[in-house]
Amino acid sequence: EAGVAQSPRYKIIEKRQSVAFWCNPISGHATLYWYQQILGQGPKLLIQFQNNGVVDDSQLPKDRFSAERLKGVDSTLKIQPAKLEDSAVYLCASSLVGGLNTGELFFGEGSRLTVL
Amino acid sequence: QKEVEQNSGPLSVPEGAIASLNCTYSDRGSQSFFWYRQYSGKSPELIMFIYSNGDKEDGRFTAQLNKASQYVSLLIRDSQPSDSATYLCAVKRSGGSYIPTFGRGTSLIVHP
Repeated sequence: EAGVAQSPRYKIIEKRQSVAFWCNPISGHATLYWYQQILGQGPKLLIQFQNNGVVDDSQLPKDRFSAERLKGVDSTLKIQPAKLEDSAVYLCASSLVGGLNTGELFFGEGSRLTVL
Repeated sequence: QKEVEQNSGPLSVPEGAIASLNCTYSDRGSQSFFWYRQYSGKSPELIMFIYSNGDKEDGRFTAQLNKASQYVSLLIRDSQPSDSATYLCAVKRSGGSYIPTFGRGTSLIVHP
């Protein structure tokens, strides 16, 4: 079974530039999450999708961050314009929904962003 | 007040010893508790989950939950250098729409 795919793995940009990250979850996983992990900290949820609907985006800085999951499968997270404090690893995760959902998240390898 | 608290460490133990990792949480509605392991430069992977008060054992790992005191711990017996990683505690309310909230993680170093 293929895992969660993310790209690019690394990205270096200057502040005020834009960047986009892509994620393809495990097949059949209806729930998709984007987390931000700053060095030395735990993952912080940015947005949760269930199918193509947003469940929670309360911690997404909407003035600069946007995310979509148009067909309920893969997802894109965009940052525009980037700030220095956006330097982090952006983790995409997916999980099953329903009675068998243990709450386990399956993470991708992450996209490491450096903003100069 | 942070929702999930962990000592950032590092916790250093000799090979073969028991490593004890602790986590406290503030939301009394939390029903599910998870321990993820994250190697440096890698993404988190689930190693244990627990729902009920008491102990749950899986190989060298034991998760302990005390809902009254709002803490969950992870014991690693016979620690190996390969166990050196950051251990993330995550908690969530029941229901698929609730989101696991992570602590900052505890760095574990197992030295030969």
